[in-house]
Amino acid sequence: SYELTQPPSVSVSPGQTARITCSGDALPKQYAYWYQQKPGQAPVLVIYKDSERPSGIPERFSGSSSGTTVTLTISGVQAEDEADYYCQSADSSGTDVVFGGGTKLTVL
Amino acid sequence: EVQLVESGGGLVQPGGSLRLSCAASGFTFSSYWMSWVRQAPGKGLEWVANIKQDGSEKYYVDSVKGRFTISRDNAKNSLYLQMNSLRAEDTAVYYCARARYSSSWYFDIWGQGTMVTVSS
Repeated sequence: SYELTQPPSVSVSPGQTARITCSGDALPKQYAYWYQQKPGQAPVLVIYKDSERPSGIPERFSGSSSGTTVTLTISGVQAEDEADYYCQSADSSGTDVVFGGGTKLTVL
Repeated sequence: EVQLVESGGGLVQPGGSLRLSCAASGFTFSSYWMSWVRQAPGKGLEWVANIKQDGSEKYYVDSVKGRFTISRDNAKNSLYLQMNSLRAEDTAVYYCARARYSSSWYFDIWGQGTMVTVSS
């Protein structure tokens, strides 16, 4: 079955830039989506269609795509950004929904 | 305010059944595909099922096919998940989510989740 690979953890200091990657063979053909999940809360969509930001999401969140890797970038990280981040996409046929394993962002 | 509120979770024995409900408000429920996504304790997210606006198309992850049934009642703005033959590995928080499609599915609105525990 199709898999998306994320690093288990990323750590940054406040004000720095955090980059979380997600790799998958079908990513050149399929959009990627990113969700933020804080402890005990539901996921929140922060990036859709690789790089679009939903209304209400701060401008410091951005997304990009290059080949088989997509990246979520958080510029000027704040303490409130500490959370688990999940990428999501589909296999090459577009039918199966696949989530990455998640990355825990720690703000030092 | 756009909102999804799940209910119906609880403790059930292996082999038992449970029906989850999701009440939608703040948007035209009948215009959207809807989904269930689950998260086992300490684990990642897993898509479970999708249902089309009129209920005519339904899709499931392989691990629940034949055991779970997704349905909706547009008159009541409600989504359901009937879960039969439950297994320990079905233990998870179950989220109701509004589904969108742009070459692949994604989920733009989520409920707060309801916990399902399968244990003897």
